[in-house]
Amino acid sequence: EPEVTQTPSHQVTQMGQEVILRCVPISNHLYFYWYRQILGQKVEFLVSFYNNEISEKSEIFDDQFSVERPDGSNFTLKIRSTKLEDSAMYFCASSDGLANQETQYFGPGTRLLVL
Amino acid sequence: DQQVKQNSPSLRVQEGRISILNCDYTNSMFDYFLWYKKYPAEGPTFLISISSIKDKNEDGRFTVFLNKSAKHLSLHIVPSQPGDSAVYFCAARFYNQGGKLIFGQGTELSVKP
Repeated sequence: EPEVTQTPSHQVTQMGQEVILRCVPISNHLYFYWYRQILGQKVEFLVSFYNNEISEKSEIFDDQFSVERPDGSNFTLKIRSTKLEDSAMYFCASSDGLANQETQYFGPGTRLLVL
Repeated sequence: DQQVKQNSPSLRVQEGRISILNCDYTNSMFDYFLWYKKYPAEGPTFLISISSIKDKNEDGRFTVFLNKSAKHLSLHIVPSQPGDSAVYFCAARFYNQGGKLIFGQGTELSVKP
């Protein structure tokens, strides 16, 4: 069964450093998303991406964040200068944009710890 | 942001009985609702969904009911199995906002043998 994959599974970084979180969405999917979950809090929407551009972004997704689909398979989230409060579980998701556009399939997540 | 609320943080059910997980929402612009199951250190796994134009959707042991007038949905699991023990999240999609999902806080279901 096709699935969304994410790398790395864990990342520890120093405050102020740049991090890139990587995702490989399900191969025939057209819509891509990033969410995050701070420990003990809700899963929060960050950004959606379609046709090589951002469709929607939340207030959290400020100038420090960017997304890219550098090739036909990867979808990345970059945080330029990490802050302590960026520590969270980051989930990538994708949907097929057809009859099941509504159903987003999630990856296993990357746990980011900013020290 | 309390647009999607799951008021019960936990639920304990005996194996074989029905589990009922509840979710309330406030925004009439949600057009689609989904239930996800999540184990610790894993991503949410899609379970079942329902369009806002329907009031029931069934898939095997899982049934979702939607009451639009009450802005309430529920997930029924019958019969419950120990393997169903996990955190269950309700999520709602905003109409025409890039597929953005708003999640509830989750309900931890524990099914005891």
